[in-house]
Order: sequence, then C-alpha cells, then structure tokens
Amino acid sequence: NAGVTQTPKFQVLKTGQSMTLQCAQDMNHEYMSWYRQDPGMGLRLIHYSVGAGITDQGEVPNGYNVSRSTTEDFPLRLLSAAPSQTSVYFCASSSGRSNYGYTFGSGTRLTVV
Amino acid sequence: GNSVTQMEGPVTLSEEAFLTINCTYTATGYPSLFWYVQYPGEGLQLLLKATKADDKGSNKGFEATYRKETTSFHLEKGSVQVSDSAVYFCALINPWGGGADGLTFGKGTHLIIQP
Repeated sequence: NAGVTQTPKFQVLKTGQSMTLQCAQDMNHEYMSWYRQDPGMGLRLIHYSVGAGITDQGEVPNGYNVSRSTTEDFPLRLLSAAPSQTSVYFCASSSGRSNYGYTFGSGTRLTVV
Repeated sequence: GNSVTQMEGPVTLSEEAFLTINCTYTATGYPSLFWYVQYPGEGLQLLLKATKADDKGSNKGFEATYRKETTSFHLEKGSVQVSDSAVYFCALINPWGGGADGLTFGKGTHLIIQP
C-alpha cells in the first residue's frame, strides 16, 4: 500500500504563477483534506472533501481551489501564488468521519519568491 | 469555534524521564481527540486517539485520557527514549458540533530527549 502520495516534494514558484499540488490515496478513503504548516502555527485546514464531488472550505481557503472528481485524487490549486503561500502542505485521508485517524502524506515544501 | 491549546516547547528531558505534554481544547459537543507525532522531515503519524469522554488512548508507551470535565487530553509516557524526540501535535475533529470534517491542531510541542 502506498497510502497517501503527494507530488511534488519540493517546488519553487514565482509570484503570480499557478500550480497544482497533487494528492492521491489508494485506501478507498472518502474523507480527504489539505493543510498548511507554518512555523509556530501548527497545521491549518485549507479545504476538505467528504466524497467525490463534495468539497468545502476550511480555516484558510483564500487563494486555493480544490476539486474531487474521483475518490482517489484531491488536487490543490494555487491560482496566483503569493509569498504568503510559502509553506509546507500536507494532504490527509480517512475512512471515517471522526472515529478514525487521518493518514498523512509526506508533504510538499513550497517556496514562492 | 473549535480550538486546541498545547504547551509550546521546546521541552527538554533526560532519557528515562517521565513525560507530560498538556493539551486543552475548546469545542461544543463531543469532539474526537488525537495526538500526532512528526519526526524531522516527515509527515504526521497518528500516535493515539480517543473518541468519547473517559476513553484512554495508548500506543508505544504513550497514553492520554479524554477528560471532558477539564476539556483536556494530556499526553504521558513513563520513560522516554532518545528516539521519542519529535514534534507532538494535539488535534480534534468535531463535525457534529458545527465544525469542519477536518482536523483542528494545536501549535505543536517540540520534544528533545537527551541521552
């Protein structure tokens, strides 16, 4: 089992560029979510999905878009990158609503210059 | 809204010392509570969980008890090892209390164990 796979692992963007962070899971999990980790801030929820075709905003959604066309994939799109989006991004998935822990990917370190 | 407060580090202990990392939460209803661990350069791993009041989660010698009366979920270990050095995150999920179907995290506690 690969678990949760995130690509790329590292990325440098120029201000104003767009890109998509990929997230795929092979565990048939319905629940998926994206987080950003910043020093001293812990992890904050960006967007989440409770199944294919269903997404919603988390705590810090501005500047990010998501879609969920399949159970396996949950990409995160940066529309116009800003230096404030420099962060480490984690994708996670879970089989249950609250009784199960989330499985995390290894992260994408994004730098916007 | 939901929030998690945990002691911030770094916390430095000697090997075989007793560990407590405090975690308190604010949430309506009955959230599920988790501890995650992050080793350098890696993602987060679930350490333990508790889904209702008075539940005790345990794993790898770590324990935490869901105390609704004090809204706490403190992490404990009787004898720490150098390999326990990592960042520990307390988290909750509370979709039935009006929260998102995603985790709310504390800011993390950096634990350093010296030989």
